[in-house]
Amino acid sequence: GQQVKQSSPSLTVQEGGISILNCDYENDMFDYFAWYKKYPDNSPTLLISVRSNVDKREDGRLTVFLNKSGKHFSLHITASQPEDTAVYLCAAGGEGTGSKLSFGKGAKLTVSP
Amino acid sequence: NAGVIQTPRHKVTGKGQEATLWCEPISGHSAVFWYRQTIVQGLEFLTYFRNQAPIDDSGMPKERFSAQMPNQSHSTLKIQSTQPQDSAVYLCASSRTGGAREQYFGPGTRLTVL
Repeated sequence: GQQVKQSSPSLTVQEGGISILNCDYENDMFDYFAWYKKYPDNSPTLLISVRSNVDKREDGRLTVFLNKSGKHFSLHITASQPEDTAVYLCAAGGEGTGSKLSFGKGAKLTVSP
Repeated sequence: NAGVIQTPRHKVTGKGQEATLWCEPISGHSAVFWYRQTIVQGLEFLTYFRNQAPIDDSGMPKERFSAQMPNQSHSTLKIQSTQPQDSAVYLCASSRTGGAREQYFGPGTRLTVL
């Protein structure tokens, strides 16, 4: 079954607003969590990642929040811009799961001017 | 520093033919991963090499699919007797040390089986 789930397949945000993308996972062995950005006909690009020993990581306009007890992590994009429009994939993995990453099916973010 | 290189970018085969896909990881990266992307299933793990050794092939279809990494600079994914359901984008990723950490993807090979 799908080990990593993105329940909302699409999101529209006004320019300048905060975009929040969510991801739920099932496997307690996961200890690495990442967000990738994907443009149409392009491959996923790593945006930001976090390990399970922290519950938050910031990088510029991006923040990842990790809630291990709830098996949930999210990506917040502040001051959203039209160029943030893309598909965002969450991914999770861990040494105990064979090191591969399990991906969500993606969520399409549209930032409207 | 070049990223992950995949060739060809597009491949069209007839049903029953063989397809070989190539991947060159980022120089200095010791781990190579193969994934398959379809609209229905999303991004699915296929197989993983570290220091050229096969580590995990749990995602590989047991028949017709095989992968090798003969040297540190390239890996191949071979699909024998291709079927229409093999049509997908095949993505290769590499990471510096392996494990479930930062993986960088190549542009992918779009395989179309007629």
